[in-house]
Amino acid sequence: GQNIDQPTEMTATEGAIVQINCTYQTSGFNGLFWYQQHAGEAPTFLSYNVLDGLEEKGRFSSFLSRSKGYSYLLLKELQMKDSASYLCALEDSNYQLIWGAGTKLIIKP
Amino acid sequence: IAGITQAPTSQILAAGRRMTLRCTQDMRHNAMYWYRQDLGLGLRLIHYSNTAGTTGKGEVPDGYSVSRANTDDFPLTLASAVPSQTSVYFCASSEDTSGANVLTFGAGSRLTVL
Repeated sequence: GQNIDQPTEMTATEGAIVQINCTYQTSGFNGLFWYQQHAGEAPTFLSYNVLDGLEEKGRFSSFLSRSKGYSYLLLKELQMKDSASYLCALEDSNYQLIWGAGTKLIIKP
Repeated sequence: IAGITQAPTSQILAAGRRMTLRCTQDMRHNAMYWYRQDLGLGLRLIHYSNTAGTTGKGEVPDGYSVSRANTDDFPLTLASAVPSQTSVYFCASSEDTSGANVLTFGAGSRLTVL
């Protein structure tokens, strides 16, 4: 079967760094997405990893280890506007997306 | 501004009533999707369409139907609404259905069935 796990909620301080983990189990893997979703809004694309390693995009980086079934999203220099839910989504070998329940990130001043 | 328009934004509906959620995109994307989002659960795919004229069932299709008469429109119909269909519904689109398929989402339709 296929399964994705991520923490339900995390709290961090403005200006700090936070790492949001995502673990998965799947019989077929094509890639892994991260989306950001502010409360009451639509999810928006952040990153896509298909190869092992770290992909950096400004303050946000995403890491993938296919052998461990593990990814994380790293947010640096946290800002209040980063308060949102972060959704991990697995793209299986049929290009179908399986979504995690999301991690609600709360940023405190 | 290019994107996806969903209507209505929110709706309260009596059980047993028929309801159609509208979705229109202006990006000429081939693929379109309907998801529902419930607290504590990941986005769940209801129906999808890889190209105009074709549709397919997702993870939770029961009680819902879709049509794709043209590239731009992908309405979702609840034939006879039930309280378990209370949810936030998101329409999404992507250029195609191959790998690295980035989805663009509409703003969502919040539906309450009483």
